[in-house]
Amino acid sequence: KAGVTQTPRYLIKTRGQQVTLSCSPISGHRSVSWYQQTPGQGLQFLFEYFSETQRNKGNFPGRFSGRQFSNSRSEMNVSTLELGDSALYLCASSLESVGNTDTQYFGPGTRLTVL
Amino acid sequence: AQSVTQLGSHVSVSEGALVLLRCNYSSSVPPYLFWYVQYPNQGLQLLLKYTSAATLVKGINGFEAEFKKSETSFHLTKPSAHMSDAAEYFCAVSVGTGGFKTIFGAGTRLFVKA
Repeated sequence: KAGVTQTPRYLIKTRGQQVTLSCSPISGHRSVSWYQQTPGQGLQFLFEYFSETQRNKGNFPGRFSGRQFSNSRSEMNVSTLELGDSALYLCASSLESVGNTDTQYFGPGTRLTVL
Repeated sequence: AQSVTQLGSHVSVSEGALVLLRCNYSSSVPPYLFWYVQYPNQGLQLLLKYTSAATLVKGINGFEAEFKKSETSFHLTKPSAHMSDAAEYFCAVSVGTGGFKTIFGAGTRLFVKA
């Protein structure tokens, strides 16, 4: 079974631009979560989608948004990029999340650099 | 509010020595706890998880962790370190109901000396 795939793997943007990252979960998985990883802040939860609905959201500004499609693929968008948005963005999928015990499977991440 | 504290941003052990990575949590409700490993330029891989069943949890690659409610700890151990264990390790707690909101610790980088 194919793992979680994220595209693109690397991205370079300039301040003020917007960016869209894509995540394809493992086949059959309905929950997709997004995380931001930086050396200073570590791993921070962005949001989780389940059956096309955002179920949980972290403490990020409205510039960060996401969506999930009917095939469970998910995208996240960052508008008006800032230098501090440079990070590794990780996507994770799981079957369900009843009781929060389902195993999350992580993709390799998208490395975003904002110049 | 739930939180996770990993003691020691860097840990260095000799090959064959005991690995001990410390994690303390704070949670107002029974927590679900996880340990993940991250190799360079890769995503995270689940090592093991505690879901209120057995307090001693065995994971992959010879790792195990013990949930101690009285100490609010969930330390990760491995009896004998291998060079391939060198990586960054994250302790995490899952919060909320009806969905994932995982809070990660700051991570501990493990170095293994030959």
